[in-house]
Amino acid sequence: EDKVVQSPLSLVVHEGDTVTLNCSYEVTNFRSLLWYKQEKKAPTFLFMLTSSGIEKKSGRLSSILDKKELFSILNITATQTGDSAVYLCAVVPMDSNYQLIWGAGTKLIIKP
Amino acid sequence: DTGVSQDPRHKITKRGQNVTFRCDPISEHNRLYWYRQTLGQGPEFLTYFQNEAQLEKSRLLSDRFSAERPKGSFSTLEIQRTEQGDSAMYLCASSLLSSGANVLTFGAGSRLTVL
Repeated sequence: EDKVVQSPLSLVVHEGDTVTLNCSYEVTNFRSLLWYKQEKKAPTFLFMLTSSGIEKKSGRLSSILDKKELFSILNITATQTGDSAVYLCAVVPMDSNYQLIWGAGTKLIIKP
Repeated sequence: DTGVSQDPRHKITKRGQNVTFRCDPISEHNRLYWYRQTLGQGPEFLTYFQNEAQLEKSRLLSDRFSAERPKGSFSTLEIQRTEQGDSAMYLCASSLLSSGANVLTFGAGSRLTVL
């Protein structure tokens, strides 16, 4: 059965720290991987990754995919309290009619 | 277009009552999804539409749940004879399936509490 596992489940750090969130997957015929940020309401899109080794960057956030080892990481540098959220990872298998398989998320808390 | 809209944002109901949620997707999006999310979990797929056709329903979805998208625009999700286990956030998302990508845009969700 296809699955997506995120780690850690929760993380508490201080403002200014750098964090790395992990997303590993077991999916038949991988198509793409997506990262979302969820604060109190709806998930908002961060990145879509399809190719190994190509880093996607947006400000202090970056992400990279390793299709050989079947995982992705999301890095956040110089964290701020506004980065506190649940970070969700989802994978789209090739033959799934573009259905997403979601991880349970990593809850990140940034202390001032 | 202001994104995906969901209504109501909060609903408190007594066990056994029926509830209906509405979702207005981004107008040019052809796909519409319903998910359920409980605390500490990722979104759980319920069903999705491509235009007005309902293409897939989760095996976990009981026959108390029904969804429609009558004209390929807004959608409704109805839960009949609600149970306490139905308490959750119900998320709607839409996407424009193109170029091998399917990036979902979510609404703010409808939180259901069944007493």
